[in-house]
Amino acid sequence: KNEVEQSPQNLTAQEGEFITINCSYSVGISALHWLQQHPGGGIVSLFMLSSGKKKHGRLIATINIQEKHSSLHITASHPRDSAVYICAVKRGSQGNLIFGKGTKLSVKP
Amino acid sequence: EPEVTQTPSHQVTQMGQEVILRCVPISNHLYFYWYRQILGQKVEFLVSFYNNEISEKSEIFDDQFSVERPDGSNFTLKIRSTKLEDSAMYFCASTEDSKNIQYFGAGTRLSVL
Repeated sequence: KNEVEQSPQNLTAQEGEFITINCSYSVGISALHWLQQHPGGGIVSLFMLSSGKKKHGRLIATINIQEKHSSLHITASHPRDSAVYICAVKRGSQGNLIFGKGTKLSVKP
Repeated sequence: EPEVTQTPSHQVTQMGQEVILRCVPISNHLYFYWYRQILGQKVEFLVSFYNNEISEKSEIFDDQFSVERPDGSNFTLKIRSTKLEDSAMYFCASTEDSKNIQYFGAGTRLSVL
């Protein structure tokens, strides 16, 4: 069983839609990361959170430690948001990450 | 903005050959990581490095793999005798503090023929 599960696997949205991507994990963690992987393969860190909620521009990430669940929301989605969004959890003190399989988002104009 | 640099962007090698993948982490960062992503699969942790030594490694990181920080700026991953199944995208990442976000390089695509 995967330690980090994401849903949905694939998501197609129309420009302007509100998008939610979910992440559940089954292990104890010290933090959870949301990352974006571009079609060319490059990975960009979006958020790291261990409690509550963080917002950056049109992106909002929330985490519920008791329920072992996190969500990434995108408001007013745009075609340039099309990418794979990856949830990863950090265990222990050294910071190595355990990754989910990613959610492939496609935003149509 | 400072960035993690990886070279080469694409490496093609014959099975059994040694390869060295190079990374230049962000200059004030202290924690370094290698990850790999086989095509179509999720990203997997290989090894973390701090204070000039390996701090943690995964089951994937067997005796064929080694890491080095030879000169205070480069961070290298060596695969001694490549196998077909080593074909993947290899990502280097660094962070100032293990509690902070990690900054990823653009990756090296390794193709083993």
